[in-house]
Amino acid sequence: AIQLTQSPSSLSASVGDRVTITCRASQGISSALAWYQQKPGKAPKLLIYDASSLESGVPSRFSGSGSGTDFTLTISSLQPEDFATYYCQQFNSFPPPITFGQGTRLEIK
Amino acid sequence: QVQLQESGPGLVKPSETLSLTCAVSGYSIGSGYFWGWIRQPPGKGLEWIGSIFHSGSTYYNPSLKSRLSMSVDTSKNQFSLRLNSVTAADTAVYFCARRGYCTGGSCFWGYFHHWGQGTLVTVSS
Repeated sequence: AIQLTQSPSSLSASVGDRVTITCRASQGISSALAWYQQKPGKAPKLLIYDASSLESGVPSRFSGSGSGTDFTLTISSLQPEDFATYYCQQFNSFPPPITFGQGTRLEIK
Repeated sequence: QVQLQESGPGLVKPSETLSLTCAVSGYSIGSGYFWGWIRQPPGKGLEWIGSIFHSGSTYYNPSLKSRLSMSVDTSKNQFSLRLNSVTAADTAVYFCARRGYCTGGSCFWGYFHHWGQGTLVTVSS
């Protein structure tokens, strides 16, 4: 199965900062990658799909890029509501399995 | 607006069967898309369990396949999960979700656009 490795595992930042989270796949997955945001006690929320497409209703400060094995999620200017855990997820093969990264916890500095 | 709601026992004994149902509103399951389950052990990351197409075709995580079955009931607009021979390692929040999204003539099949709120299942005697 394809493995996804996120870095860093945790990150401290301040409101207004620009933040980048990386997801590396163990083999090429074209652009078949999504990013989710999860707050404590809540379900994950889809932010980005197909590596760079913004889900409807998601603020434009979130953006995604990459293809093949290396992907990034960027938050251009952190807002208080953005402090959460972020996961990447791949879907390259049919039939799946689908795999998730281990998560990146974004905390307030 | 698509909404999903998990239901089922919150406590299951070891070696028994975990059974959950996901009720869907705002969309007819029989119209399409994949319907799936994802779980999250306390304090840990997300694990995909499996998906079922509206026609009933199933796709399971290989690590769970021998213990897992999923079904869909279009008349009740719900789908279900059964995981047998559970152990403490199966303790987790279980989420149901819709996988797939079509817009402007294009469809994206790999991502979970709609989620239930999740239900905690504890395996303990």
